[in-house]
Amino acid sequence: NAGVTQTPKFQVLKTGQSMTLQCAQDMNHNSMYWYRQDPGMGLRLIYYSASEGTTDKGEVPNGYNVSRLNKREFSLRLESAAPSQTSVYFCASSDRGTNEKLFFGSGTQLSVL
Amino acid sequence: QKEVEQNSGPLSVPEGAIASLNCTYSDRVSQSFFWYRQYSGKSPELIMSIYSNGDKEDGRFTAQLNKASQYVSLLIRDSQPSDSATYLCAVYNQGGKLIFGQGTELSVKP
Repeated sequence: NAGVTQTPKFQVLKTGQSMTLQCAQDMNHNSMYWYRQDPGMGLRLIYYSASEGTTDKGEVPNGYNVSRLNKREFSLRLESAAPSQTSVYFCASSDRGTNEKLFFGSGTQLSVL
Repeated sequence: QKEVEQNSGPLSVPEGAIASLNCTYSDRVSQSFFWYRQYSGKSPELIMSIYSNGDKEDGRFTAQLNKASQYVSLLIRDSQPSDSATYLCAVYNQGGKLIFGQGTELSVKP
């Protein structure tokens, strides 16, 4: 079982470059999430998708865009990377409903120089 | 004010002691509460969920919920060095989004 797969695992960007973080889940889950994690800050929600075709802003959406093209995939795009976006990014998914636990990907370590 | 707040830690306890981790939340209509454990360099994993006022026990872990005080806690009995990790409290808000606290780092000393 693959679960939630994130790519890439590591990435180094220069300020102003763009990139897309990919996330796919094979559990037929409806909801998908993107979080970032910085030291001492816990996990902060960037964007959320309750179902295919819908997205909603989280706590820290500025500088990011997302795309939920189908039920399996939820991508996060940085159009013009900034050093403040240096972080560990986690994708997660859950089944419908607010009693459901999240399944996490293994994370992407992103450094913006 | 953050929607979900935790003691900043780090929390250090001796092996065999009880570790107590606390969390408060601001959204009064929240109904679902979770504790995740995260080892260094790894993804978070769910260890407890609680939906009703009172205590819920699972092995050495007990989650406690008090909706009137907007407070949720996690007790770890007979703490082991393998329990050393960051513990994240998470709450679904009324928008259906799962919001995490900043995490409490626990260190269990042999």
